Amino acid sequence: DAGVTQSPTHLIKTRGQQVTLRCSPKSGHDTVSWYQQALGQGPQFIFQYYEEEERQRGNFPDRFSGHQFPNYSSELNVNALLLGDSALYLCASSHGYPGETQYFGPGTRLLVL
Amino acid sequence: AQTVTQSQPEMSVQEAETVTLSCTYDTSESDYYLFWYKQPPSRQMILVIRQEAYKQQNATENRFSVNFQKAAKSFSLKISDSQLGDAAMYFCAYRSAIRQGGGADGLTFGKGTHLIIQP
Repeated sequence: DAGVTQSPTHLIKTRGQQVTLRCSPKSGHDTVSWYQQALGQGPQFIFQYYEEEERQRGNFPDRFSGHQFPNYSSELNVNALLLGDSALYLCASSHGYPGETQYFGPGTRLLVL
Repeated sequence: AQTVTQSQPEMSVQEAETVTLSCTYDTSESDYYLFWYKQPPSRQMILVIRQEAYKQQNATENRFSVNFQKAAKSFSLKISDSQLGDAAMYFCAYRSAIRQGGGADGLTFGKGTHLIIQP
């Protein structure tokens, strides 16, 4: 049973560019959450997708957007990249119930120069 | 908004000894879930243990156990018989039990505790 997968593993962009990160959830999961983890910090919740809609959002600007596809996979898009967007981006999947455990992928390391 | 505080940036323990990692949280909710996640250098976040707030019994998973004090809003993790493979960043996380708009709430994490295992 494949766990949560993310692509790419590493990415280097320059300021002002746009980036798309991808996530495939664990088999049987229908909910995908995205987190940003700056170096030396705990992950910060960006948003969550369930039934192809953004259901909840953390304190992130509109430059951060996403999408969920019918097969439950998801994309995170970041526009107009800033140096401060450099971080590890984690995707987590779960069933769509409050008590369900979130399982994390290995992350995508984004470096903005 | 909920907050999670881990007051120990780094802890060190001898192999085979016991160590306790601290976590406190702030919430006005009565029903929620608490988690400990482990993040080794490979950076994959791995669930260690979870606790439902409505359960009085402390969760246990093999060498890992928690001390959940709801009134004190405290949720510490005890690792017994520490092993070299336990070395990692440990994150405490909170999740509301309130289902908002479908799906489930995002996790609120602490800043983490770096656990070092001395051979």
